[in-house]
Amino acid sequence: DAGVIQSPRHEVTEMGQEVTLRCKPISGHDYLFWYRQTMMRGLELLIYFNNNVPIDDSGMPEDRFSAKMPNASFSTLKIQPSEPRDSAVYFCASSQGNSNQPQHFGDGTRLSIL
Amino acid sequence: QKEVEQNSGPLSVPEGAIASLNCTYSDRGSQSFFWYRQYSGKSPELIMFIYSNGDKEDGRFTAQLNKASQYVSLLIRDSQPSDSATYLCAVISSSGYALNFGKGTSLLVTP
Repeated sequence: DAGVIQSPRHEVTEMGQEVTLRCKPISGHDYLFWYRQTMMRGLELLIYFNNNVPIDDSGMPEDRFSAKMPNASFSTLKIQPSEPRDSAVYFCASSQGNSNQPQHFGDGTRLSIL
Repeated sequence: QKEVEQNSGPLSVPEGAIASLNCTYSDRGSQSFFWYRQYSGKSPELIMFIYSNGDKEDGRFTAQLNKASQYVSLLIRDSQPSDSATYLCAVISSSGYALNFGKGTSLLVTP
């Protein structure tokens, strides 16, 4: 079975540009999570969805960040405008059912904002 | 602030020894506990999960949970150089489905 698929794997762009990260969760999983990982702060939850509906976006750093899940098989995380401090690895994860089920991570997108 | 604390390490153990990784958490209502392994430049990979007090064994790995002490640990028996990685403790808080991660413990298994 295919795991969580993220694209692109790497993104390098200049400050001020719009960045869109994409995620396809594991088929049948009804929870989708976006995390950001940096050396300083470790893995931090940005937002999560249940059945395509955003449940908790309290981790989204500021209004420059937005996330959507138009259907059960696709989600985007957008940063506009991007800033150098947004440079990090962004992971998408999905899980099925209740909170006891483990989350499975995609390979991540390594984002560098110059 | 619901926190998950881990010693950052590095923890160095010789090949064949037992590696003991520890984690404490602040949310007393937490119910689900996970250990992920992350190799450098890779994504977190689930190793173990535990929900009940006591021990849970899976191959060379044993997870231990003590809810009264708010403490969860991971033991790796017969450590191998391929076990060298960062081990992340993650806890699902009482308030939702999101994982709160510790910053991880770096493990180095020396031949």
